[in-house]
Parts: sequence; C-alpha cells; structure tokens
Amino acid sequence: EAQVTQNPRYLITVTGKKLTVTCSQNMNHEYMSWYRQDPGLGLRQIYYSMNVEVTDKGDVPEGYKVSRKEKRNFPLILESPSPNQTSLYFCASSLGATDTQYFGPGTRLTVL
Amino acid sequence: DAKTTQPPSMDCAEGRAANLPCNHSTISGNEYVYWYRQIHSQGPQYIIHGLKNNETNEMASLIITEDRKSSTLILPHATLRDTAVYYCIVRAAGGTSYGKLTFGQGTILTVHP
Repeated sequence: EAQVTQNPRYLITVTGKKLTVTCSQNMNHEYMSWYRQDPGLGLRQIYYSMNVEVTDKGDVPEGYKVSRKEKRNFPLILESPSPNQTSLYFCASSLGATDTQYFGPGTRLTVL
Repeated sequence: DAKTTQPPSMDCAEGRAANLPCNHSTISGNEYVYWYRQIHSQGPQYIIHGLKNNETNEMASLIITEDRKSSTLILPHATLRDTAVYYCIVRAAGGTSYGKLTFGQGTILTVHP
C-alpha cells in the first residue's frame, strides 16, 4: 500500500532532550516536506527536500534540522526541543514539487 | 507563493452543493490553484488543482475566474463526511522557491443533516 509513515505518532519529552521524528514513503517520491500545525495558525512548512541531499527552508525552520540521505526517508531533528515546539507535525511526499502531496498520519509532540 | 483569502467557516445542508470561495488576487501567471482538505487532525488530503481552465474529478469541481483572481471549489452533493477544513493554496510551477508551500487558515465546512 502506498503510504507515508511517521514515527512516533505521539511523544512527550522534556526541554533540551534531542529527538528525531522519522518519515518514510514507499512511493519513490522525489519531494518530501515537513509541516507543523498549531491552533489558529494552520499548517506551516518547516523544511522541504526536492531530492536526495537537497533540502531547503520553509516558513518556520528555526529550531529544526532535516536530512535527506536516501529518497525514502526524511527525518526531522530537534536538537534542543523547547515548549514552543509542542505541536502536531506532518510529513508529506509527492512525485515532484508541484504534484499531489500525500500526507502522513501526524506526530503529536509535547515538550515539557 | 501568492496569498489566499477564504471565509473562516461555511455551512451546507447534506445533499446540497457546497461552494467554497477563494480569493487569490495576486496570483501570477505560472501559479496553480490547489485545494486540500483536512478532516479532524488527520493529514490533509488532496482534492483538485488547476491553472486557468475549470477542472472536475470524482471528488469536486474547480471553477477559476477568467482573470484568475478567484476560484470556487464545488462539492456537488455534500455529505456529512465532507465536514472538514478546506485549504486553497496557490503555488508556482517553477522558480527558485517552488518547493515552498503555504497553507492559509482554510474554511471550516460543516455539513448538516
């Protein structure tokens, strides 16, 4: 089944403890992207990747890192999480940048 | 990406057509109009997109005005399962930052029995 998977789905952590949220797609898509969603602010793009080893900032990249070492995976790294990064995170992928994006199920992160 | 303006909420009776407007008055020639929807806190789902011609698929129709400054998403026979937040997005087909995608606030569509 074609899908985008994210892990973990739920995570509660403490300030400053490094964490990684994984994202994987099995559709051989070139484009992948991370979003965060907060009440009243809608979906905001964090980082995106046009292809392997090609990443770029979205609208809210501060406090996040990404890597794209292989086509199927696009992990989101929070080196030193802070409470303002408490949010619902979505990963998405598409064949190309302007093609239909397929979203993962979301990761709900709470930073205490 | 050009900005879009959508009404914050709309209601529709089940079985009737839902017409969701979107204003994108600063759209440029190479920018497409996309519609996605999000049900509860699930990942957004693609609905339809277009450049200047009207488009129709199994889910909806997209009507884009001739000047391309606005568009309307039409769900021809709304059901309770169409209750969701609907996002209208414009994005370029090329250029230096065409990988960026900006979602606005969207329209909360509530379909009533």
